[in-house]
Amino acid sequence: KNEVEQSPQNLTAQEGEFITINCSYSVGISALHWLQQHPGGGIVSLFMLSSGKKKHGRLIATINIQEKHSSLHITASHPRDSAVYICASSYLGGSNYKLTFGKGTLLTVNP
Amino acid sequence: NAGVTQTPKFQVLKTGQSMTLQCAQDMNHEYMSWYRQDPGMGLRLIHYSVGAGITDQGEVPNGYNVSRSTTEDFPLRLLSAAPSQTSVYFCASSVKNTGELFFGEGSRLTVL
Repeated sequence: KNEVEQSPQNLTAQEGEFITINCSYSVGISALHWLQQHPGGGIVSLFMLSSGKKKHGRLIATINIQEKHSSLHITASHPRDSAVYICASSYLGGSNYKLTFGKGTLLTVNP
Repeated sequence: NAGVTQTPKFQVLKTGQSMTLQCAQDMNHEYMSWYRQDPGMGLRLIHYSVGAGITDQGEVPNGYNVSRSTTEDFPLRLLSAAPSQTSVYFCASSVKNTGELFFGEGSRLTVL
């Protein structure tokens, strides 16, 4: 069974700080997703990656397949980045691919 | 494109009642899935479908039923609601089961 662990659970930062959220998983995967959920809001996909690194604006996601680890970085953090960040791994379970989600990291960015 | 549309957004049921959560997508995605989100736990897969006419169970399928008669629609049925089914439910779709995920806005269900 695939286990997905995120750290930290909670993170408080000052505006402008560099943020890192970590995600580790236990089995070989086909893809790793990073998602964002604002309080009381829906879930938005930020990245899907299977190797290397992706960048979108101030957000950067990296993955190390050998170490079964991924990181989400936010540069020059802003209060609007305050949200729950969720990683999810897609793995082959039985005859189909399934997703396992981490419990999320609650990020609060203070002005 | 509307993306993924979920209805209703809020629902209160009494124990034993049945209801259907609707999910529709207009992106011609093959893969659709239902999750529940509970405090302190990650999203958990209830049921999923890899195409019209094909469904399979996820991690927590008991008490829920699904069907996929068309590519666009993937309703989730609660057969006899229980307080343990109080949760926020999300529907998601993707081009294939390893593709980028698109989520509905969520449905908050309370079972009294």
